Amino acid sequence: SAVISQKPSRDICQRGTSLTIQCQVDSQVTMMFWYRQQPGQSLTLIATANQGSEATYESGFVIDKFPISRPNLTFSTLTVSNMSPEDSSIYLCSVGGGNEKLFFGSGTQLSVL
Amino acid sequence: GENVEQHPSTLSVQEGDSAVIKCTYSDSASNYFPWYKQELGKGPQLIIDIRSNVGEKKDQRIAVTLNKTAKHFSLHITETQPEDSAVYFCAASPSGNTPLVFGKGTRLSVIA
Repeated sequence: SAVISQKPSRDICQRGTSLTIQCQVDSQVTMMFWYRQQPGQSLTLIATANQGSEATYESGFVIDKFPISRPNLTFSTLTVSNMSPEDSSIYLCSVGGGNEKLFFGSGTQLSVL
Repeated sequence: GENVEQHPSTLSVQEGDSAVIKCTYSDSASNYFPWYKQELGKGPQLIIDIRSNVGEKKDQRIAVTLNKTAKHFSLHITETQPEDSAVYFCAASPSGNTPLVFGKGTRLSVIA
């Protein structure tokens, strides 16, 4: 499986600010996704990061709030914009490993004060 | 779209006993069913998966069974150890590039 490096691993931010999370993979991958895991909850897909084009967002998530970049097949960023305490969650980068297998990074623990 | 239900939400077992976690899914087109283990402060780790053309799959102390007719699948952990304590998630995918849909998770505690 691919090695997925995600940073920062955790951050504490003030409301109204923005945070950009980086995801680096050690090999080229076609599919990259961003998930949110609210405290004690399951994983919810935010969007599919498409290389060279705009991300595909799931219902309830919009580009203005969660802009995503995917400049190449090994790197993606997720920005959480104009944060509020409700954005406090773990944000997870994941990559497709072929045959539908999905692998996750270690996550970014975000706390918004 | 796909909906995945997972039970129980919490499970406590004595070390050495077996643990069983069950999931049901709604989309009959789903044909890939992975299980993930998430330890505190870490991302989910894929531990076993099964496809719809197989009824059971085993890997050492863990096994997964699938009943396509009833649309449910289960994770079985035998001879549980304290290091098995974690949150376990099931998921389902209708295949191809369709993103996984996850259950709500089961917090397993193995008591020494």
